[in-house]
Amino acid sequence: IQMTQSPSSISASVGDRITITCRASLGIGRWLAWYQQKPGKVPNLLMYAAYTLQSGVPSRFSASGSGTDFTLTISSLQPEDSATYFCQQTNTFPLTFGGGTKVEIK
Amino acid sequence: QVQLHQWGAGLLKPSETLSLTCAVYGGSISGFYWGWIRQSPTLGLEWIGQIDQSGSTNYNPALRSRVTMSVETSKNQFSLTLRSVTAADTGVYYCARLWSAEGRYVATYWGQGTLVTVSS
Repeated sequence: IQMTQSPSSISASVGDRITITCRASLGIGRWLAWYQQKPGKVPNLLMYAAYTLQSGVPSRFSASGSGTDFTLTISSLQPEDSATYFCQQTNTFPLTFGGGTKVEIK
Repeated sequence: QVQLHQWGAGLLKPSETLSLTCAVYGGSISGFYWGWIRQSPTLGLEWIGQIDQSGSTNYNPALRSRVTMSVETSKNQFSLTLRSVTAADTGVYYCARLWSAEGRYVATYWGQGTLVTVSS
């Protein structure tokens, strides 16, 4: 299953609301996860099962979607949110990732 | 707090075998699935495969002919072997502890990563 993220990069200001989209080439139900990766760091799980927040993740992060179309939203962008965000379908082996969306702070 | 520490050779020649080991601290290897994921600028993040404490595996079909994963519960470690490497196998390799939601796996704890470069 191919995972396509858009946009590939986004530049926004602190306090902005941003949305990242992930599209699966086949339906995956609600089985999508989101990871955040900061430069030089390992990926960190943000969300699983489409919209379930991983423990410790700030509530400004939310996600939605099912089937083939999913979104990750940051309601009020903070400086520490500067990172690359990846989606991953967890429905079908081999598990596959999107190409990533780089979020930069203006 | 679960921590994963991984090690292995970082520079290989084409046709050689990549071998990485991941040690689990702060928790038991039993009761979980354990995975290997790699990342490169060209291929992005790629799921290599996973193994449980009994040795049951699930490999990425694209790599299945060259991959072997094993687990050593007595040492709380698991390992990855990738044979006949080429330059396309260059990247950062991560070990990870997997968590299952209704049989669907996500990576919740990650090793620090090992940069593997394949070059003649």
